[in-house]
Amino acid sequence: GIQVEQSPPDLILQEGANSTLRCNFSDSVNNLQWFHQNPWGQLINLFYIPSGTKQNGRLSATTVATERYSLLYISSSQTTDSGVYFCAVGSRTGGGNKLTFGTGTQLKVEL
Amino acid sequence: ETGVTQTPRHLVMGMTNKKSLKCEQHLGHNAMYWYKQSAKKPLELMFVYSLEERVENNSVPSRFSPECPNSSHLFLHLHTLQPEDSALYLCASSPSRHWDYGYTFGSGTRLTVV
Repeated sequence: GIQVEQSPPDLILQEGANSTLRCNFSDSVNNLQWFHQNPWGQLINLFYIPSGTKQNGRLSATTVATERYSLLYISSSQTTDSGVYFCAVGSRTGGGNKLTFGTGTQLKVEL
Repeated sequence: ETGVTQTPRHLVMGMTNKKSLKCEQHLGHNAMYWYKQSAKKPLELMFVYSLEERVENNSVPSRFSPECPNSSHLFLHLHTLQPEDSALYLCASSPSRHWDYGYTFGSGTRLTVV
């Protein structure tokens, strides 16, 4: 099946700093989403971005489908950004739609 | 609230118990999913239901038994679990199994098997 690798696995930032999270995937995908899981376990969809660039406030994401990677940018980080960021990809090959998740980037933003 | 509600939030059960996890979505979606999240591992897809029909079962042990009585409700029945089944169980829904967007998760049930 498709492989999804995220880097870095762990990241500690001072409040106000910027960061870039990376997601590499091993095969062509129809869909790519970024999720944030807060410390209480809730997964929130940040971006649906199979290709191109999107921005939402301090967050933006870029996917280069031909090179099989996506980047999530966090600017002016805040303590509420702490949690785990997951990249998940979907492919219609292999029968049906399903999301394959990476292992995530654990982010901690400190004062 | 995301529109997908899971109960209970926490569950502790013995290996001989029988319990059920419940998921309800208020988004009008037609597809529902169960995922398992263990520590330091990626989310693992367990089951997919589309219009109340199970369309995928990812080699999940029979001690996990899903039920989808209608497109708004999804259950996961548990019996004779093992300690290694302790994990966060997440329910999700999407407009259809041929989704492109709108994938929404519940808050999860944190299960501990003792």
